[in-house]
Amino acid sequence: GPKVLQIPSHQIIDMGQMVTLNCDPVSNHLYFYWYKQILGQQMEFLVNFYNGKVMEKSKLFKDQFSVERPDGSYFTLKIQPTALEDSAVYFCASSSRDNANTEVFFGKGTRLTVV
Amino acid sequence: AQKVTQTQTSISVMEKTTVTMDCVYETRDSSYFLFWYKQTASGEIVFLIRQDSYKKENATEGHYSLNFQKPKSSIGLIITATQIEDSAVYFCAMTPASSSFSKLVFGQGTSLSVVP
Repeated sequence: GPKVLQIPSHQIIDMGQMVTLNCDPVSNHLYFYWYKQILGQQMEFLVNFYNGKVMEKSKLFKDQFSVERPDGSYFTLKIQPTALEDSAVYFCASSSRDNANTEVFFGKGTRLTVV
Repeated sequence: AQKVTQTQTSISVMEKTTVTMDCVYETRDSSYFLFWYKQTASGEIVFLIRQDSYKKENATEGHYSLNFQKPKSSIGLIITATQIEDSAVYFCAMTPASSSFSKLVFGQGTSLSVVP
């Protein structure tokens, strides 16, 4: 089936540094999402993105977070600067249509460890 | 705001038996979509089945089916003839139908272990 690829699978970074998480969504999808999962807890919505714009974000999407998809390449989540509480698994997802009942495809996640 | 609760942290069943995983939700929306996903040991998150709140019939998909009890705000997942490879963490999720974009609210997950 359709695959969302996330690179890298695991990243360790010093607190205060910048990190960029990369996502290669399903090729014909236009709607992109990031979710955050702290170890042992449920996934929580961070942000959705369409046509070059953030459409909706949660309170977890702090000012230090930003997303973009320059020129149809990777959909990225940038955290600058990172904090210890940013340690989590970040899941990228994509979908083809703009309604809530469309199947969303998830990547395998990037485990971010901030030390 | 929506809330999804899965009270079963982990379940262990014998292979080839039937298992039911519970999920209750809270929402003020009159129309919404309910989903079940599974997360495998490799981390892959796989969509399993969906229930539209305005449909009375329980959704079925292969050996997955749902027990939708709208008055109880409950959407249980039933897996029949379980297989070893069904071992995974199962997440219940919902999103309001009025939402222009998918914004899934997930439960805490239930870890299923299928043993021989």
